[in-house]
Amino acid sequence: QQPVQSPQAVILREGEDAVINCSSSKALYSVHWYRQKHGEAPVFLMILLKGGEQKGHEKISASFNEKKQQSSLYLTASQLSYSGTYFCGTVRANNDMRFGAGTRLTVKP
Amino acid sequence: DTAVSQTPKYLVTQMGNDKSIKCEQNLGHDTMYWYKQDSKKFLKIMFSYNNKELIINETVPNRFSPKSPDKAHLNLHINSLELGDSAVYFCASSRQGLAYEQYFGPGTRLTVT
Repeated sequence: QQPVQSPQAVILREGEDAVINCSSSKALYSVHWYRQKHGEAPVFLMILLKGGEQKGHEKISASFNEKKQQSSLYLTASQLSYSGTYFCGTVRANNDMRFGAGTRLTVKP
Repeated sequence: DTAVSQTPKYLVTQMGNDKSIKCEQNLGHDTMYWYKQDSKKFLKIMFSYNNKELIINETVPNRFSPKSPDKAHLNLHINSLELGDSAVYFCASSRQGLAYEQYFGPGTRLTVT
Protein backbone atom coordinates (compact mmCIF):
# COMPACT_ATOMS: atom_id res chain seq x y z
CA GLN A 1 0.00 0.00 0.00
CA GLN A 2 1.49 3.31 -1.07
CA PRO A 3 2.12 6.11 1.44
CA VAL A 4 -0.08 9.18 1.43
CA GLN A 5 1.54 12.51 0.69
CA SER A 6 0.09 15.90 1.46
CA PRO A 7 -0.43 18.42 0.11
CA GLN A 8 -0.75 17.34 -3.52
CA ALA A 9 0.51 20.70 -4.69
CA VAL A 10 1.81 23.90 -3.17
CA ILE A 11 2.75 27.28 -4.60
CA LEU A 12 5.25 29.47 -2.79
CA ARG A 13 6.97 32.79 -3.24
CA GLU A 14 10.74 32.81 -2.98
CA GLY A 15 11.77 32.88 0.66
CA GLU A 16 8.66 31.18 1.98
CA ASP A 17 8.63 27.89 3.85
CA ALA A 18 6.81 24.65 3.11
CA VAL A 19 6.17 21.32 4.77
CA ILE A 20 5.40 18.12 2.90
CA ASN A 21 4.02 15.18 4.80
CA CYS A 22 4.18 11.47 4.15
CA SER A 23 2.27 8.88 6.13
CA SER A 24 1.93 5.14 6.01
CA SER A 25 -0.49 2.69 7.56
CA LYS A 26 2.30 0.11 7.94
CA ALA A 27 5.33 -0.04 10.22
CA LEU A 28 8.32 1.45 8.44
CA TYR A 29 12.01 0.74 8.41
CA SER A 30 13.03 3.90 6.60
CA VAL A 31 11.78 6.80 4.54
CA HIS A 32 13.45 8.20 1.41
CA TRP A 33 12.86 11.66 -0.07
CA TYR A 34 13.50 12.50 -3.73
CA ARG A 35 12.89 15.54 -5.92
CA GLN A 36 12.07 15.26 -9.59
CA LYS A 37 12.11 18.16 -12.03
CA HIS A 38 10.04 18.03 -15.17
CA GLY A 39 11.51 15.67 -17.74
CA GLU A 40 14.32 14.58 -15.45
CA ALA A 41 15.08 11.67 -13.16
CA PRO A 42 14.36 11.72 -9.42
CA VAL A 43 17.26 13.02 -7.36
CA PHE A 44 17.99 11.82 -3.85
CA LEU A 45 17.50 14.29 -0.99
CA MET A 46 17.79 12.21 2.17
CA ILE A 47 17.03 8.95 3.97
CA LEU A 48 15.72 8.64 7.49
CA LEU A 49 16.03 5.34 9.29
CA LYS A 50 13.79 4.18 12.10
CA GLY A 51 14.77 5.67 15.39
CA GLY A 52 12.86 8.92 15.02
CA GLU A 53 15.75 10.89 13.62
CA GLN A 54 15.83 14.24 11.99
CA LYS A 55 18.20 15.21 9.23
CA GLY A 56 19.21 18.47 7.67
CA HIS A 57 20.66 19.38 4.32
CA GLU A 58 21.21 23.13 3.90
CA LYS A 59 17.71 24.57 4.01
CA ILE A 60 15.98 21.24 3.53
CA SER A 61 15.44 18.99 6.52
CA ALA A 62 13.24 16.06 7.40
CA SER A 63 11.92 14.16 10.37
CA PHE A 64 10.66 10.63 10.83
CA ASN A 65 8.23 9.68 13.55
CA GLU A 66 8.51 5.92 13.69
CA LYS A 67 5.60 5.46 16.07
CA LYS A 68 3.21 7.36 13.82
CA GLN A 69 4.76 6.04 10.59
CA GLN A 70 5.03 9.61 9.40
CA SER A 71 7.76 11.69 7.85
CA SER A 72 7.84 15.38 7.06
CA LEU A 73 10.08 17.31 4.70
CA TYR A 74 10.78 20.92 5.63
CA LEU A 75 11.84 23.47 3.03
CA THR A 76 12.86 26.80 4.45
CA ALA A 77 13.52 30.07 2.66
CA SER A 78 12.56 28.43 -0.63
CA GLN A 79 14.50 29.16 -3.79
CA LEU A 80 13.40 28.94 -7.41
CA SER A 81 15.52 25.81 -7.74
CA TYR A 82 13.33 24.01 -5.21
CA SER A 83 10.52 23.74 -7.75
CA GLY A 84 9.68 20.19 -8.71
CA THR A 85 7.77 17.17 -7.55
CA TYR A 86 8.76 15.69 -4.22
CA PHE A 87 8.32 12.00 -3.59
CA CYS A 88 8.59 10.08 -0.38
CA GLY A 89 9.47 6.41 -0.58
CA THR A 90 8.66 4.22 2.39
CA VAL A 91 10.51 1.02 3.11
CA ARG A 92 9.25 -1.81 5.25
CA ALA A 93 11.42 -4.47 6.85
CA ASN A 94 10.52 -7.03 4.18
CA ASN A 95 12.20 -5.07 1.37
CA ASP A 96 8.89 -3.56 0.35
CA MET A 97 9.33 -0.04 -1.05
CA ARG A 98 6.46 2.20 -2.12
CA PHE A 99 6.41 5.76 -3.35
CA GLY A 100 3.81 8.37 -2.62
CA ALA A 101 1.93 10.10 -5.41
CA GLY A 102 4.16 13.15 -5.14
CA THR A 103 3.79 16.78 -4.09
CA ARG A 104 4.21 19.37 -6.82
CA LEU A 105 6.03 22.39 -5.47
CA THR A 106 6.17 25.62 -7.46
CA VAL A 107 8.31 28.50 -6.27
CA LYS A 108 7.60 31.86 -7.89
CA PRO A 109 9.79 34.97 -7.86
CA ASP B 1 31.16 10.57 -16.15
CA THR B 2 27.59 9.33 -16.20
CA ALA B 3 26.81 7.39 -13.03
CA VAL B 4 23.74 5.49 -14.23
CA SER B 5 23.08 5.33 -17.95
CA GLN B 6 20.20 3.88 -19.92
CA THR B 7 19.67 3.18 -23.58
CA PRO B 8 17.69 4.04 -25.50
CA LYS B 9 16.34 7.35 -24.23
CA TYR B 10 13.25 7.09 -26.39
CA LEU B 11 11.57 3.96 -27.71
CA VAL B 12 8.55 4.01 -29.99
CA THR B 13 7.18 0.65 -31.04
CA GLN B 14 4.03 -1.15 -32.03
CA MET B 15 1.86 -3.43 -29.96
CA GLY B 16 3.01 -7.00 -29.92
CA ASN B 17 6.69 -6.22 -30.43
CA ASP B 18 9.49 -7.25 -28.08
CA LYS B 19 11.97 -4.65 -26.87
CA SER B 20 14.84 -4.29 -24.44
CA ILE B 21 16.16 -1.42 -22.35
CA LYS B 22 19.73 -1.49 -21.12
CA CYS B 23 21.12 -0.02 -17.92
CA GLU B 24 24.66 0.36 -16.67
CA GLN B 25 26.09 1.93 -13.53
CA ASN B 26 29.71 2.83 -12.89
CA LEU B 27 29.32 3.62 -9.19
CA GLY B 28 30.41 0.21 -7.96
CA HIS B 29 26.99 -0.32 -6.37
CA ASP B 30 25.71 -3.77 -5.49
CA THR B 31 22.00 -3.14 -5.98
CA MET B 32 20.11 -2.10 -9.10
CA TYR B 33 16.43 -1.41 -9.71
CA TRP B 34 13.84 -0.94 -12.41
CA TYR B 35 11.01 1.53 -11.90
CA LYS B 36 7.99 2.41 -14.00
CA GLN B 37 6.59 5.94 -13.93
CA ASP B 38 3.20 6.29 -15.57
CA SER B 39 1.54 9.32 -17.12
CA LYS B 40 0.30 10.44 -13.70
CA LYS B 41 3.91 10.43 -12.45
CA PHE B 42 3.25 7.52 -10.13
CA LEU B 43 6.59 5.81 -9.47
CA LYS B 44 6.51 2.08 -8.92
CA ILE B 45 9.37 -0.30 -8.22
CA MET B 46 9.35 -3.34 -10.50
CA PHE B 47 12.49 -5.33 -9.79
CA SER B 48 15.65 -5.16 -7.76
CA TYR B 49 18.86 -7.14 -8.07
CA ASN B 50 21.57 -7.31 -5.46
CA ASN B 51 24.85 -8.57 -6.86
CA LYS B 52 23.05 -10.30 -9.74
CA GLU B 53 20.50 -11.93 -7.44
CA LEU B 54 16.81 -11.00 -7.73
CA ILE B 55 15.62 -9.62 -4.38
CA ILE B 56 12.50 -7.65 -5.28
CA ASN B 57 10.02 -8.89 -7.81
CA GLU B 58 6.84 -6.85 -7.62
CA THR B 59 3.59 -7.86 -9.22
CA VAL B 60 4.27 -7.10 -12.84
CA PRO B 61 3.20 -9.08 -15.90
CA ASN B 62 5.59 -11.92 -16.70
CA ARG B 63 6.09 -10.27 -20.08
CA PHE B 64 8.67 -8.19 -18.22
CA SER B 65 11.92 -10.00 -17.55
CA PRO B 66 14.99 -8.45 -15.97
CA LYS B 67 18.45 -9.79 -16.67
CA SER B 68 21.61 -8.95 -14.78
CA PRO B 69 24.74 -10.24 -16.55
CA ASP B 70 26.93 -8.65 -13.86
CA LYS B 71 26.40 -6.28 -10.96
CA ALA B 72 27.02 -3.22 -13.11
CA HIS B 73 24.29 -4.04 -15.61
CA LEU B 74 20.56 -4.63 -15.35
CA ASN B 75 18.57 -4.95 -18.53
CA LEU B 76 14.81 -5.08 -18.96
CA HIS B 77 13.22 -7.15 -21.69
CA ILE B 78 9.55 -6.72 -22.51
CA ASN B 79 7.65 -9.20 -24.63
CA SER B 80 4.40 -8.65 -26.51
CA LEU B 81 4.19 -4.96 -25.74
CA GLU B 82 0.79 -3.51 -24.88
CA LEU B 83 -0.55 0.05 -24.95
CA GLY B 84 -0.55 0.12 -21.14
CA ASP B 85 3.20 -0.44 -21.10
CA SER B 86 3.70 3.12 -22.32
CA ALA B 87 5.56 4.93 -19.54
CA VAL B 88 8.96 6.18 -18.51
CA TYR B 89 11.19 3.41 -17.20
CA PHE B 90 13.95 4.36 -14.79
CA CYS B 91 16.90 2.30 -13.79
CA ALA B 92 18.53 3.08 -10.44
CA SER B 93 21.32 1.79 -8.26
CA SER B 94 22.29 1.95 -4.60
CA ARG B 95 25.26 0.86 -2.57
CA GLN B 96 23.55 -2.11 -0.98
CA GLY B 97 19.82 -2.42 -0.75
CA LEU B 98 17.08 -0.06 0.30
CA ALA B 99 18.93 1.40 3.28
CA TYR B 100 21.00 3.53 0.91
CA GLU B 101 20.23 6.39 -1.44
CA GLN B 102 19.33 5.51 -4.97
CA TYR B 103 20.84 7.10 -8.05
CA PHE B 104 18.51 7.16 -11.01
CA GLY B 105 19.32 6.92 -14.68
CA PRO B 106 17.88 9.49 -17.13
CA GLY B 107 14.91 7.29 -18.00
CA THR B 108 13.62 5.63 -21.14
CA ARG B 109 10.34 6.93 -22.52
CA LEU B 110 8.52 3.98 -24.05
CA THR B 111 5.59 4.67 -26.33
CA VAL B 112 3.56 1.75 -27.61
CA THR B 113 1.29 2.49 -30.57
